[in-house]
Amino acid sequence: GQQVMQIPQYQHVQEGEDFTTYCNSSTTLSNIQWYKQRPGGHPVFLIQLVKSGEVKKQKRLTFQFGEAKKNSSLHITATQTTDVGTYFCAGVLIKAAGNKLTFGGGTRVLVKP
Amino acid sequence: GAGVSQSPSNKVTEKGKDVELRCDPISGHTALYWYRQSLGQGLEFLIYFQGNSAPDKSGLPSDRFSAERTGGSVSTLTIQRTQQEDSAVYLCASSTQGRSYEQYFGPGTRLTVT
Repeated sequence: GQQVMQIPQYQHVQEGEDFTTYCNSSTTLSNIQWYKQRPGGHPVFLIQLVKSGEVKKQKRLTFQFGEAKKNSSLHITATQTTDVGTYFCAGVLIKAAGNKLTFGGGTRVLVKP
Repeated sequence: GAGVSQSPSNKVTEKGKDVELRCDPISGHTALYWYRQSLGQGLEFLIYFQGNSAPDKSGLPSDRFSAERTGGSVSTLTIQRTQQEDSAVYLCASSTQGRSYEQYFGPGTRLTVT
């Protein structure tokens, strides 16, 4: 079954509000990456987290890696229409060969102006 | 510098025909991935090449799908006897070994099987 899961699958947000999307793995991850795919576009790398409990910020986006390295979150503050898209997390499973990533199903973000 | 390129950008084919999709990774990237993305869905892993190692074919959905990577660079994904359920966007990505496993995606090939 799917080893990396994201919730929610859909996120409807009022412009200006904050929201958080979550990424959960059934096994420990060596690292976690986040990608953003705009409608009609291709996934674009946002960030990578490696250390347990790591927190990184990119302007209005805050990424966190769980202490047990089995989950991650993306928090967006003051949502803008430019945040529309699908956000994918992708983890390198500890037992995976090479640097193969396992992608979650994505959270589709719609922003209401 | 040049990113990952894919060709064709769009392909319409009749059911039962064979198709070839091409991916040119970023120069120097040793890892190359193929994914399939159906409309509004997530990324379905198909195959992974890493240097001279045997490819990881665990994601290929059937024996109609195959891929090769020549000279550690260009890759071709071949779908034989296409079916309507093969219609999707096929994405290629490449990455470099080392500290960062960041994947760079190409624009994809939209395949439509009629």
